[in-house]
Amino acid sequence: NAGVTQTPKFQVLKTGQSMTLQCAQDMNHNSMYWYRQDPGMGLRLIYYSASEGTTDKGEVPNGYNVSRLNKREFSLRLESAAPSQTSVYFCASRREEGNTEAFFGQGTRLTVV
Amino acid sequence: SQKIEQNSEALNIQEGKTATLTCNYTNYSPAYLQWYRQDPGRGPVFLLLIRENEKEKRKERLKVTFDTTLKQSLFHITASQPADSATYLCALGNYGGSQGNLIFGKGTKLSVKP
Repeated sequence: NAGVTQTPKFQVLKTGQSMTLQCAQDMNHNSMYWYRQDPGMGLRLIYYSASEGTTDKGEVPNGYNVSRLNKREFSLRLESAAPSQTSVYFCASRREEGNTEAFFGQGTRLTVV
Repeated sequence: SQKIEQNSEALNIQEGKTATLTCNYTNYSPAYLQWYRQDPGRGPVFLLLIRENEKEKRKERLKVTFDTTLKQSLFHITASQPADSATYLCALGNYGGSQGNLIFGKGTKLSVKP
């Protein structure tokens, strides 16, 4: 049981380049999330998908887009990377919204130069 | 806006002692609170959940309390071990729509010295 799988684990981009972070979960969870984690800022929600076919903005959505490709997969796209997007990105899933636990991937460390 | 504070950025204790971590919140009435452990280079891992109508929850050496009047949760690790060294995050949540999303604190880095 792999849980939540993110790819890639590390990435270096030049300013203005684009890339897509991939996330897949094998737990048949309805809800999926993308967070960024920065020193001193904690985990901040970028986008979430409460269920297949829906996506919504979180706390810090600017500069990002998402796609809930199917129930398993939720991707995060940076169209034109900026140094301010240097961060560690985590994908998470939950069985549903509400008092259920979140399962996190191992993270993607992104550096934009 | 909602605010979550984990009082200490870092906490250093001696092996065998009880570690107590604090999570305070303002401008929010959570229906439940969760605690996670995060090791360097890894994603957070769920530890415990406590609901607003519960005062205390235990799991092995872990104990969580939830005081909705004080707007505070305490997370205790008894008989601490060096292997307990990690960053611990609290997260608040509610029910319904975007309220169901977890709001995370910045974490407390616990170091247990042998």
